[in-house]
Parts: sequence; C-alpha cells; structure tokens
Amino acid sequence: GEDVEQSLFLSVREGDSSVINCTYTDSSSTYLYWYKQEPGAGLQLLTYIFSNMDMKQDQRLTVLLNKKDKHLSLRIADTQTGDSAIYFCAEILGSGNTGKLIFGQGTTLQVKP
Amino acid sequence: EAQVTQNPRYLITVTGKKLTVTCSQNMNHEYMSWYRQDPGLGLRQIYYSMNVEVTDKGDVPEGYKVSRKEKRNFPLILESPSPNQTSLYFCASQRTGTASYEQYFGPGTRLTVT
Repeated sequence: GEDVEQSLFLSVREGDSSVINCTYTDSSSTYLYWYKQEPGAGLQLLTYIFSNMDMKQDQRLTVLLNKKDKHLSLRIADTQTGDSAIYFCAEILGSGNTGKLIFGQGTTLQVKP
Repeated sequence: EAQVTQNPRYLITVTGKKLTVTCSQNMNHEYMSWYRQDPGLGLRQIYYSMNVEVTDKGDVPEGYKVSRKEKRNFPLILESPSPNQTSLYFCASQRTGTASYEQYFGPGTRLTVT
C-alpha cells in the first residue's frame, strides 16, 4: 500500500542548514507537500512541489524531488529557533489534485541556540 | 478570514458517552476530510466527503460516523467512544478543480477517552 517514511528527529544549531528527508511510494502523486506543526497548533502548509519539478526554492526553503528514487527533501537555510516544530512530508494519493493525503510520521526539528 | 474551525478544541470524556466534534469551513470548499494524529504514526484519514451528501471511509473509519448535510459543515461523531480513540483530530477542506493544490487544516481537537 501507499506509505511515506521520515526520520523522527533532527537537531541542529541555530544558523546551520537543516535537511529533512522523506521517501514515498505512490509514483503517480501529482503534488508532494511539506507541512509544519508548531506546538499546540494545527498544520500549516509550508511548501509544495508539483511532480514534474525537480526543485523548488522559496526564500529559505529548498525542496528537492527525485522521482526515480521517490525521495523528497526539505532544506531550511539559516535555521532559526522559530523553525523548531514537527515537519510532515505528505503526498496526495493518485494522479489527481484533491483527495487523501498520505503523511509521514513527522520529523521533530530541534534548533539549539 | 478564510479558515477551518473545529469545536471543541479539547475534550475529556468517558467510555461510551456519545460525542460530536464539529468542523466548519467558510471557503465554499467541496472536499472535506477528517484525520487523526497519533505519535509515530503521522496523520491517518478517518472519513472524507467529496461534496454534500457524499461521504466515504478513509483508512481508519471504525468507531466513527460523519455526515455532510451542508457544504460548510462536516461533523465527526463517536457513538460509543473507547480509549483507543484518544487522539488529536484534524478537519481539513479543499476546493476541487485543477488549480487547487492545498488542503486547509483546522486547529485540531485533542480528545481523551477514559
């Protein structure tokens, strides 16, 4: 069945770059997403990438997509303490753009001052 | 402000006492969905609705019911809650159509069943 895998924890120092990795199984997914969840809060869409793209950059965020290996990564440049949160990788099931999101387990990012 | 709202935000209840978690969106979205979040498991879909009066099961529907009588509302009903339904619940909505890519999430409802 469909599955999304992430490592559970990442710790970095403030100012360093963070890289969160994710693997997925549904090769027909149209969109892949990164959601951010701050403590006690809901999910906020951080960024997304369309399946025909290899890379997307948005200010401090860089998303890399390797469709051959079904690997997605999120790089946060100049990581700040405010970036401490849980980051979820997700893919939309199937080739449409509306429907069930398959989430990874979430990666807790700890940013040390 | 475009948003998805859920009520209550926190709920502690006892086994077997029926409860309803409400979800409402003000964006006229056709698609709505419920997820539950458990540590180490990410979010899993419970039920979803493609439009009014159209609902279907997600991955973990056992013990839950939903209804979609109006476009804006999608309540989650636990007829006889059990401790294994203790979880963090999220409602989400999305506009259908080729230009739509984002699901909007509510703030979450933390449910504890004792």
